[in-house]
Amino acid sequence: ELVMTQSPATLSVSPGERVTLSCRASQSVSSYLAWYQQKPGQAPRLLIYGASTRATGIPARFSGSGSGTEFTLTITSLQSEDFVVYYCQQYNNWPYTFGQGTKLEIQ
Amino acid sequence: QVQLQESGPGLVKPSGTLSLTCALSGGSISSSDWWSWVRQAPGKGLEWIGEIFYSGSTNYNPSLKSRVIISVDGSRNQFSLKLTSVTAADTAVYYCARMHNSDWGTVGMDVWGQGTTVTVSS
Repeated sequence: ELVMTQSPATLSVSPGERVTLSCRASQSVSSYLAWYQQKPGQAPRLLIYGASTRATGIPARFSGSGSGTEFTLTITSLQSEDFVVYYCQQYNNWPYTFGQGTKLEIQ
Repeated sequence: QVQLQESGPGLVKPSGTLSLTCALSGGSISSSDWWSWVRQAPGKGLEWIGEIFYSGSTNYNPSLKSRVIISVDGSRNQFSLKLTSVTAADTAVYYCARMHNSDWGTVGMDVWGQGTTVTVSS
């Protein structure tokens, strides 16, 4: 099974700052990498697919990059509603696998 | 727009069978998309269970494959999950989701149901 590793598990930052979340795959997933945001009590929301394409309606402050095994999600000008959990997911190989998540905390 | 809604019992006895249905509205299940089930144990991350195409083709997570059946009912525009021999470890929020395939490739899981909590307990 392809393992997705996110780092760090928790990130403390201040509103208005820029933050970069990392996701590493145990083997290449090409660009078949998605990022999801999950707020408490809600279903995940697709932010980025194809490693770098923003999903419909996602603000430009969210951007993704990377290919192969190393990926990043960057959020600029953090807003209060951004302090939640983010997951990466590979869909290059079955079974599709998610990272364990990174939680953004207000510093 | 496409919406998904899970339904099914919220409580299942150990060794029993968990059965959930996901109803699709605002679109057709007979599209180029795949239809997935994902679960999330309390306080944990996301686990992909499996997916189905409208033709009935399926892909399952090997960790659950021996206990999972995903089926589709095109006439009712819905798909279903059955998980047998459940234990407390199967207690989770279960989500259905669409893995969207656009003209230019796979988009990811862009539509999700609200999720339904299933507790395995006697």
